[in-house]
Amino acid sequence: GAVVSQHPSWVICKSGTSVKIECRSLDFQATTMFWYRQFPKQSLMLMATSNEGSKATYEQGVEKDKFLINHASLTLSTLTVTSAHPEDSSFYICSVDRGGNRGTQYFGPGTRLLVL
Amino acid sequence: KNEVEQSPQNLTAQEGEFITINCSYSVGISALHWLQQHPGGGIVSLFMLSSGKKKHGRLIATINIQEKHSSLHITASHPRDSAVYICAVSRFNTDKLIFGTGTRLQVFP
Repeated sequence: GAVVSQHPSWVICKSGTSVKIECRSLDFQATTMFWYRQFPKQSLMLMATSNEGSKATYEQGVEKDKFLINHASLTLSTLTVTSAHPEDSSFYICSVDRGGNRGTQYFGPGTRLLVL
Repeated sequence: KNEVEQSPQNLTAQEGEFITINCSYSVGISALHWLQQHPGGGIVSLFMLSSGKKKHGRLIATINIQEKHSSLHITASHPRDSAVYICAVSRFNTDKLIFGTGTRLQVFP
């Protein structure tokens, strides 16, 4: 399977600051990456689809100005939580679509965000 | 009603028991996935199915497309199998996954 990393693995920040989370595909080039959010004891919720070289596609109800996504290269997508608030505290997970075998996704280890 | 439903929500078992987790879905799909999420949060893809049955070690996954139902079986369960098991489906013509709410499994020694 593919190897996907995320950085940082956890972050604590003050309310009002911005936090950047990186998702890297380490062993193949990914034109599509997905960003998910997971609240405690709930399932994953797709936030947006990150497309290399073009704008991300956001799911309904996800504010694109709040959650900035940049997919500048085939191995890196970033999610920036702008002006973070305590309600943004969550577990953020990325996945990469290897393509070819449609629907196969490989997940990163996740980033736990706590906004104080 | 959720498009993907799992049962049970919580499951406890003694080591060695045979375990079954069920998943039903209500949309047309191109594939169904079983994922495992450990307490630390990391997610591992266990199976991707579009028909029939797959086996990997002590894990078996089956799918019945007509009935829109899949099962994940764990034989000879072990405490290290304790995790949340998530069913997810890929709809036709999209790479997006729709997730079930997960089944929390605890296996006691």
